[in-house]
This record gives sequence, C-alpha cells and structure tokens, in this order.
Amino acid sequence: QVQLVQSGAEVKKPGSSVNVSCKASGGALSYYEVGWVRQAPGDGLEWMGGIVPAFGAPVYAQKFQGRVTITVDKSTNSAYLHLSSLTSEDTAMYFCASAMGSGSFRGWGQGTLVTVSS
Amino acid sequence: DIQMTQSPSSLSASVGDRVTITCRAGQGIGNDLAWYQQKPGKAPERLIYAASRLQSGVPSRFSGSGSGTEFSLTISSLQPEDFATYYCLQHSTYPPTFGQGTKVEVK
Repeated sequence: QVQLVQSGAEVKKPGSSVNVSCKASGGALSYYEVGWVRQAPGDGLEWMGGIVPAFGAPVYAQKFQGRVTITVDKSTNSAYLHLSSLTSEDTAMYFCASAMGSGSFRGWGQGTLVTVSS
Repeated sequence: DIQMTQSPSSLSASVGDRVTITCRAGQGIGNDLAWYQQKPGKAPERLIYAASRLQSGVPSRFSGSGSGTEFSLTISSLQPEDFATYYCLQHSTYPPTFGQGTKVEVK
C-alpha cells in the first residue's frame, strides 16, 4: 500500500483558490483509486471526488461540481486537489486517500488544514 | 447517492465494555463496507474491510458483520486507546458515502 504525504496548511481569502498536493511513495499512484475527503471542524467525513483508473476520468461529488479539479501526475507520483471560489464554509481538513481496485480507502494522507478567512 | 445511517451518534462506555455500532445502507451494498477509527487531529484508520475482514495489525477485539443493508462493528472489550470516533463507508456505488460517525466517550 502506498504511503501518502500531503502539503502544508493554507490560509486563503474568500473568493480565492487553493491547491493541495498528495505525494505517494512505495508504489505508483496511477494504479490506485485516489479520493479526496474533507472534514469541517467538528463534522464528519465527506467525499469530494476522486480518480478511478477504470473510469479514465475524475468523478466529483455533485456538491463540488464546477469548483473542484482532481488530477494525478505520474511524473511526480502525486495527486492534486484544486478548489476554487472559496468561502468560510470551505474551512476544513482535507485528506487524500488511496484504494486498490474496487476496495475501500486504506492509505490516508496526514491531512491539510485549509482556513478561509478575510 | 446511498445514504448511510449510523447509530448511535455517541455513546458512553467503560474500559472492558462490549460496544456495538451499526450502519444501515439506503439500498443493498453487498459487503462493500469498511469501518474506520479516527482520533482528534488524525487521519482515519481502516479497521475492517469487506464488512467483516480485519485489517492487518488491528486488534482482534474489533469485528465486523453484516451484508446487504445492515452492518455492525463490535469492540469486544473496550480499551483506553479505543476512545475515538468511528465511521462506516460504503464503496459499492459512486459516490462513496460515509456514516455520520459515532463518538465513543468515557463513561
């Protein structure tokens, strides 16, 4: 199973965008399903979207359609989350997670705290 | 989307207690269900996959059961390190959906 290390905490202004990276080691990330899950303060886990090799293209939760872009770069063995038009409601911990085949997420990054504040 | 209804939302228990958490799926998901433990400020850790298979390295006091729409996670004898929040996740149908979580607190 790959190990995942995410980029550091971010502080953003409302209306701006954020990029979060997730670097894999111990295997080629392109062979795994990669998902992004967020957790607002005091709340539960929410799947935002992911890349499934079998699908050939990213899949996004309807809630984030139009604001989120998820990519995997084979050259850096990393996944990336781009979220635009940030509001205070996007203040949360963002996790990347990996799954093999059609399985559940086993490997998780350590999380990246994104704070949106004016 | 498949709704996952997890109960209870919280419970108070003592070391040594037997604890059971349930998840109900809005439609049949076979055995495509996992259970996670999350401690404050940390990423979730998978305890159970395929509804009943114990993740390598996870103590045997954790067990999972169920299929279709009804699932449960049982901790046979609660230990101090088990006080945490637990989530179920269905990955049968996209999008994957989590239960609301169960916080296990000290009585």
